[in-house]
Amino acid sequence: DVKVTQSSRYLVKRTGEKVFLECVQDMDHENMFWYRQDPGLGLRLIYFSYDVKMKEKGDIPEGYSVSREKKERFSLILESASTNQTSMYLCASSPYRGSYNEQFFGPGTRLTVL
Amino acid sequence: AQTVTQSQPEMSVQEAETVTLSCTYDTSENNYYLFWYKQPPSRQMILVIRQEAYKQQNATENRFSVNFQKAAKSFSLKISDSQLGDTAMYFCAFMRHTNAGKSTFGDGTTLTVKP
Repeated sequence: DVKVTQSSRYLVKRTGEKVFLECVQDMDHENMFWYRQDPGLGLRLIYFSYDVKMKEKGDIPEGYSVSREKKERFSLILESASTNQTSMYLCASSPYRGSYNEQFFGPGTRLTVL
Repeated sequence: AQTVTQSQPEMSVQEAETVTLSCTYDTSENNYYLFWYKQPPSRQMILVIRQEAYKQQNATENRFSVNFQKAAKSFSLKISDSQLGDTAMYFCAFMRHTNAGKSTFGDGTTLTVKP
């Protein structure tokens, strides 16, 4: 089974702190994604990566950056956390090739910024 | 850009009954994939069912089936013999055939199965 893990289930940070959210997948997938999930807004794509050191902005990249130094790991960075970044963050991965390309999700990190 | 609309924010159904969740999408593409994902309370999101646009036959997975109407751009999910474990948020998702895995998700429908 594909396994996608995230470093924390719950995280509380202060405004202005630098925050790192880590995601690791064990199925050698090329694609990795970061979403935020807010009530009534569904999943919104922040960034995605289709290869090591490659990244593309999603729909809401402002205030975030990402890093992918190794194929299995994709990090989301909040350079200076703000209260409006309080949310559930979901990481996902998928194979680049294949007929269906479904996404496999991690358990999520619920981030609270005070 | 593609959009996905789930018009039912919340639904409920009695155990053992059938429920249908609706999803519509907007695209100019001819070849694409559609998915339904399930997110149980405090658990990971998982794939429920998927459909390739060029296949006319509706996909089925045990108690889950879809009604795919390509011309109407509609992709509804039918859950038969609902079980308490089906209680979850359900997301409809669209992916272009050549989009390197990126999907567009709807806002989700929260389904509650009542005993």
